[in-house]
Amino acid sequence: EAGVAQSPRYKIIEKRQSVAFWCNPISGHATLYWYQQILGQGPKLLIQFQNNGVVDDSQLPKDRFSAERLKGVDSTLKIQPAKLEDSAVYLCASSLDQVGETQYFGPGTRLLVL
Amino acid sequence: GESVGLHLPTLSVQEGDNSIINCAYSNSASDYFIWYKQESGKGPQFIIDIRSNMDKRQGQRVTVLLNKTVKHLSLQIAATQPGDSAVYFCAENWGPRGQNFVFGPGTRLSVLP
Repeated sequence: EAGVAQSPRYKIIEKRQSVAFWCNPISGHATLYWYQQILGQGPKLLIQFQNNGVVDDSQLPKDRFSAERLKGVDSTLKIQPAKLEDSAVYLCASSLDQVGETQYFGPGTRLLVL
Repeated sequence: GESVGLHLPTLSVQEGDNSIINCAYSNSASDYFIWYKQESGKGPQFIIDIRSNMDKRQGQRVTVLLNKTVKHLSLQIAATQPGDSAVYFCAENWGPRGQNFVFGPGTRLSVLP
């Protein structure tokens, strides 16, 4: 079974620029998560989708971050405009059915904002 | 808000010894706990989980213990191998739909030859 795919793997941008990350979850997984992991810290949940609906986005900085999961499969996370403190690894995870079940993570996208 | 925490950021063990990684959680409503292993440049990898109606669960070379009285979670790795070197995170989950999912800060495990 293929794992969670993410692209790009690395991205360097200047502050105030925009950036987008893509995630393809494990086939058949209904729930998708986006996390932000700052160096030396544990992942912080940003948003959860179940199929194409948002379950929770309370930790998403909505003034600059947005995410969508059209058709309940792939998802994109966008930052516009980026700030220096957005430098982090952005992880995507998926789980089979319910929110709260075992999550399988992708390799992440490492973002550096200069 | 309530969160999961780890008290030992770095743990060094001799190859072949047993490792114990500890985690304290503060949310008494948490009902599902997971240990993840993260190697450099990779996403977290599921190791083992436990639900709040259990106090022990065993996997291959790993055991998770849950003490709800003191809100403590531990991961035991038997016969630690060089490939076990990584950062280990505990995570807790709660909410009527299981929607709250919080990771601890992590413990780095270094296996010495």
